[in-house]
Amino acid sequence: KAGVTQTPRYLIKTRGQQVTLSCSPISGHRSVSWYQQTPGQGLQFLFEYFSETQRNKGNFPGRFSGRQFSNSRSEMNVSTLELGDSALYLCASSLQAAAQNGYTFGSGTRLTVV
Amino acid sequence: AQSVTQLGSHVSVSEGALVLLRCNYSSSVPPYLFWYVQYPNQGLQLLLKYTSAATLVKGINGFEAEFKKSETSFHLTKPSAHMSDAAEYFCAVSAERGSARQLTFGSGTQLTVLP
Repeated sequence: KAGVTQTPRYLIKTRGQQVTLSCSPISGHRSVSWYQQTPGQGLQFLFEYFSETQRNKGNFPGRFSGRQFSNSRSEMNVSTLELGDSALYLCASSLQAAAQNGYTFGSGTRLTVV
Repeated sequence: AQSVTQLGSHVSVSEGALVLLRCNYSSSVPPYLFWYVQYPNQGLQLLLKYTSAATLVKGINGFEAEFKKSETSFHLTKPSAHMSDAAEYFCAVSAERGSARQLTFGSGTQLTVLP
């Protein structure tokens, strides 16, 4: 059974550019969440999608957006990149949008903004 | 609101010694609690979870954790450390209330295992 797949694994972008990250959840999982991990701020929740609807959003500026497709695959987009957006972006999926299930994480996309 | 505090950002133990990683949580509703492990350049792997079925939870790789409501704690233990346990460990809480299905993580504990 394939795990959560995130592409690309590594990305280097220039300030001001935009970037799109992709996440394919485990087959059958309908809930997808995104987290940002940085040395200074740790793991922070970005947003959660279930059945193509964003149901919860963290405290991030509007430059951070996402969407989920009918096959549960998800993308997140960051526009007008800033140096501080350099981070490991983790996607997690769950069978149902229930807190007690826990989440399976992908290996992440390492974004470096120069 | 929910929060997690992990005491000790770095813990070192000798191989074969007891591993104890501390986690205290705050939640206004009965929480679900998780321990995750992260190896370098990897994502998070679920070690174990507490969902109110039993206060002592056994996970993978010989780890276990005990939920203590009176102490608002969920400490992670392993009787005998192995070199392969060296990694960063994260405690997380999730309280399902309305649409609040996010995980709130602690700041992590880096475990070093000494030969």
